Amino acid sequence: DTEVTQTPKHLVMGMTNKKSLKCEQHMGHRAMYWYKQKAKKPPELMFVYSYEKLSINESVPSRFSPECPNSSLLNLHLHALQPEDSALYLCASSQGVAGPDTQYFGPGTRLTVL
Amino acid sequence: QKEVEQNSGPLSVPEGAIASLNCTYSDRGSQSFFWYRQYSGKSPELIMFIYSNGDKEDGRFTAQLNKASQYVSLLIRDSQPSDSATYLCAVNPETSGSRLTFGEGTQLTVNP
Repeated sequence: DTEVTQTPKHLVMGMTNKKSLKCEQHMGHRAMYWYKQKAKKPPELMFVYSYEKLSINESVPSRFSPECPNSSLLNLHLHALQPEDSALYLCASSQGVAGPDTQYFGPGTRLTVL
Repeated sequence: QKEVEQNSGPLSVPEGAIASLNCTYSDRGSQSFFWYRQYSGKSPELIMFIYSNGDKEDGRFTAQLNKASQYVSLLIRDSQPSDSATYLCAVNPETSGSRLTFGEGTQLTVNP
């Protein structure tokens, strides 16, 4: 089973709202990722959690706040977003081992900021 | 020079033909290479991964890796209209830890 689940599938929010995106995997993976993808562009890495600790933050604005409550769950808290933050937000997970480490993507959350 | 470059698309092939998707990378120490398929509006789906020089076959898909030439390709035999998608080449550079570097993608259309 290589399933990563994400909720919600779609989200529309105003610039003053606070919302959260959720991601879950039950593959025993120890690395989890958040990506942002704009139309016709490749995924752009935002954050990496390795063994529940934040290991990479790609200089993401503070209006995006990641959280890893346990090894199976990953959240992305959103606050005071801008219209240009509208995109497909993808969660991925991998075993988190040294060497070749395959990432599996969830279905994504389509975010629209009004 | 981009870190990962894919042949510019869109690529259009007739049904039943072989589709050839190419990717070059700049980090000579890269160790692992991935091909993802992404349908419009959907998330990337892993098609193939390859770590060693040579060919790796899985059904109608063959990945080819040549580390000396810093080149990785994906061949799709007996192309079907359902193969129409954007194909993303992703590379794990040597010193990047868990990071994947993606190419811009090649849009493939298989015409019935």
